[in-house]
Amino acid sequence: AQSVTQLGSHVSVSEGALVLLRCNYSSSVPPYLFWYVQYPNQGLQLLLKYTTGATLVKGINGFEAEFKKSETSFHLTKPSAHMSDAAEYFCAVSGGLDDYKLSFGAGTTVTVRA
Amino acid sequence: DTEVTQTPKHLVMGMTNKKSLKCEQHMGHRAMYWYKQKAKKPPELMFVYSYEKLSINESVPSRFSPECPNSSLLNLHLHALQPEDSALYLCASGRSGQFTDTQYFGPGTRLTVL
Repeated sequence: AQSVTQLGSHVSVSEGALVLLRCNYSSSVPPYLFWYVQYPNQGLQLLLKYTTGATLVKGINGFEAEFKKSETSFHLTKPSAHMSDAAEYFCAVSGGLDDYKLSFGAGTTVTVRA
Repeated sequence: DTEVTQTPKHLVMGMTNKKSLKCEQHMGHRAMYWYKQKAKKPPELMFVYSYEKLSINESVPSRFSPECPNSSLLNLHLHALQPEDSALYLCASGRSGQFTDTQYFGPGTRLTVL
């Protein structure tokens, strides 16, 4: 079965500072990896996804993530935080052929200080 | 257009009421999902419909009854709910229900059971 671990349930950054959210995955097959963002009282919005190919994936709103197979990681970064980045972020891995589920991490809450 | 719509946005119901949640997508997707999300937790899968057939029921209590009238519509019928069923209910759609799909989420229905 596939699973993800998000390191740090809460991250606080200053406006303009680097945002780094950590995600490690466990998968018995080549993984499909996703980052979703959830703003307060809203649904989940896809930020970016990794399927195959280029390991550096660019997403919306200036976010990007790098797939590192050797480290089983898929960390999310943004060079300069904006107040509007305050939200809940979920890393997720999709199952293999015998596992239909999208398995989510526990989530990381990002707050941005002015 | 990657929009999934859900109605109503908020719902308050008593334990003896019968109500329904509605979800709609016009992306031509053939898989639709219901998730339940408690505060500060990741979404939990409830049901999956693939090509209008119920393919997955994650051992959800029978007081939740899903229905997929056509490939664009998904309903969740609610009856005799408990206060612990209060949560954000999210609908999602995917191209075909395969693990390679990206799931697109709606904004959710905030349900309160009194």
